[in-house]
Amino acid sequence: SAVISQKPSRDICQRGTSLTIQCQVDSQVTMMFWYRQQPGQSLTLIATANQGSEATYESGFVIDKFPISRPNLTFSTLTVSNMSPEDSSIYLCSVDRGPNGGNTIYFGEGSWLTVV
Amino acid sequence: AQSVAQPEDQVNVAEGNPLTVKCTYSVSGNPYLFWYVQYPNRGLQFLLKYITGDNLVKGSYGFEAEFNKSQTSFHLKKPSALVSDSALYFCAVEKNRDDKIIFGKGTRLHILP
Repeated sequence: SAVISQKPSRDICQRGTSLTIQCQVDSQVTMMFWYRQQPGQSLTLIATANQGSEATYESGFVIDKFPISRPNLTFSTLTVSNMSPEDSSIYLCSVDRGPNGGNTIYFGEGSWLTVV
Repeated sequence: AQSVAQPEDQVNVAEGNPLTVKCTYSVSGNPYLFWYVQYPNRGLQFLLKYITGDNLVKGSYGFEAEFNKSQTSFHLKKPSALVSDSALYFCAVEKNRDDKIIFGKGTRLHILP
């Protein structure tokens, strides 16, 4: 498994502001992922963050709204820009630690954002 | 396109009884299949996965899942439910390694004391 720490764990944010979520992993990993879980919904992949290259965004998510950094193999940040109430969600950092084929994605505890 | 379905929004089981949380998938070939659990106010925890081999996979907390290729199902099971098993359970599927993992909508499990 992996120890994945996210900060902040919770926050209440004002509309129009931006917030950066940090994700720290206890060992080096190649791929890190950012997911969003809106209230009462399943998980949706926002982007894949690889060290040394730009993040790869899924359909419906753009870099201007969700800029991502991946400065090294143990750390990543996700910024939620110009927030609106629709951005109120849990944002989850995850890493791939799948031996022997088949990704096994391990998740952090999530960052619970409420936009008011 | 690959997809995964969890047909039940909620499952209620009496403590001590066996439980089943259903999952079916739509993926060509031989997919990788996963179960995750989310306890209240927590992130997701990995329970178990199927890659190949024995159709019955054992995981954490006494859970197991049975892969059935002909029915394209991967139901989660436990012989004797505990109140502490009450949580939100997600099934997930991956077509090939390095593909995206797709999550089902989740099933809320209530274990009644």
